[in-house]
Formats: sequence, C-alpha cells, structure tokens
Amino acid sequence: SAVISQKPSRDICQRGTSLTIQCQVDSQVTMMFWYRQQPGQSLTLIATANQGSEATYESGFVIDKFPISRPNLTFSTLTVSNMSPEDSSIYLCSVENPQGVWTEAFFGQGTRLTVV
Amino acid sequence: GNSVTQMEGPVTLSEEAFLTINCTYTATGYPSLFWYVQYPGEGLQLLLKATKADDKGSNKGFEATYRKETTSFHLEKGSVQVSDSAVYFCALSAPTDSWGKLQFGAGTQVVVTP
Repeated sequence: SAVISQKPSRDICQRGTSLTIQCQVDSQVTMMFWYRQQPGQSLTLIATANQGSEATYESGFVIDKFPISRPNLTFSTLTVSNMSPEDSSIYLCSVENPQGVWTEAFFGQGTRLTVV
Repeated sequence: GNSVTQMEGPVTLSEEAFLTINCTYTATGYPSLFWYVQYPGEGLQLLLKATKADDKGSNKGFEATYRKETTSFHLEKGSVQVSDSAVYFCALSAPTDSWGKLQFGAGTQVVVTP
C-alpha cells in the first residue's frame, strides 16, 4: 500500500493569488495523478506527473493555470495560479501501487480550497 | 471517449435494507472497473474492483459483477448498516491508459438511517 500526505489540508485564499499543494508518498512511485473535485461533483483528472518529464494535462486544463512539479519519485506539487472563486474545490493527489504490480490507486486526503 | 454513468442520489435506506447502485460505462476495449467510497470527512478509498468480464469484486459485504454484455458494474449489498453511509463512486481505467488514471462517475450519496 501507499500512504499519501497532502499539505495543506485546507486553505482560504484571495482571488488573484496562487496556492501550491504538496503531495508526499511514503514509497517510490512512477506516476502521480492530480484530481479536482468541485463542490457536489465527481473527480476529474487534471494531469499525470512522471518524474523527470513534464506533466501531461487533460483536456480543459493547462500548465499555466496548474503548473506541476515532480522532482523525485516520492513528491509532487500542484499550483493553482491566479485563483478565482471557480477554483474552489478539493484537490486530490493519487498514486498507483508502488510495488510495480498494479492493484489499486491510492488517494491523499485532499486539499479543500476556498477562493474568496 | 470513455465515460461512467451512475445513478443519482441521494439514496436513503433503513438499516438492513438491500442496496443497489447502478453503474454503466462506455469504453474501448476491456477496461478495469472499480468502486471507490468516500466516508464523511475521509479520503477516497478502494472498495472493490474487477479487471475482466464476469469477474466479481467483493469487500465488506459489497459485491459487483463486471458485465461486458450490458457494460455494467452495479454495486450491491444485502443488508446495509448506518456505517455504510458515504458517497460511492464507480470508476474505470481504460486498457490503453496508465493503471492509476481513472474516469469517475458522478458519485452516489447513500444515507442509511437506524
């Protein structure tokens, strides 16, 4: 299994500012994923982050708005840039099973972001 | 593209009632199918999964069978408890995608009353 720590767990931010969310995993993983869960809605994949390469973004998400870093096999950050109230969501980090044999995806507790 | 459709909630049940949450999917090839659960105030966790047609996933009294012919993966539990109150998400992982890349349904909130 994998234990994922996300920071911060929640934040209230002013519009126009940026917030960086950290995701730390207790073991090395190849791929990390960032999801958004808007209020009352399902999870939508923002991007996939591999160590040593640029993140791959899903349709509707761009690097300028959601820059991602993946400096090593246990850590990633997602920045929400130039925030507006529409960015108020829960942001979740996810990883695949670190053992190399896939069994499931593990999720962090999420970061609850409110933009005012 | 791939998609997952699940029944809307909230679903309100009495304790010991039978629960069914319908889930259907659209995908190319043979995806892997999952049910994730989000308990109040907690993170998302895997409830059960099935990776090929006719497989049955089961856990904590919940079951779901991968039906290729009807492209469905309905979740069932014979006797729910108050502790089963949560939001349930059906999801798929396409065979051409990374295993951890998931397409989620809208989620179904289940409320079990004593």
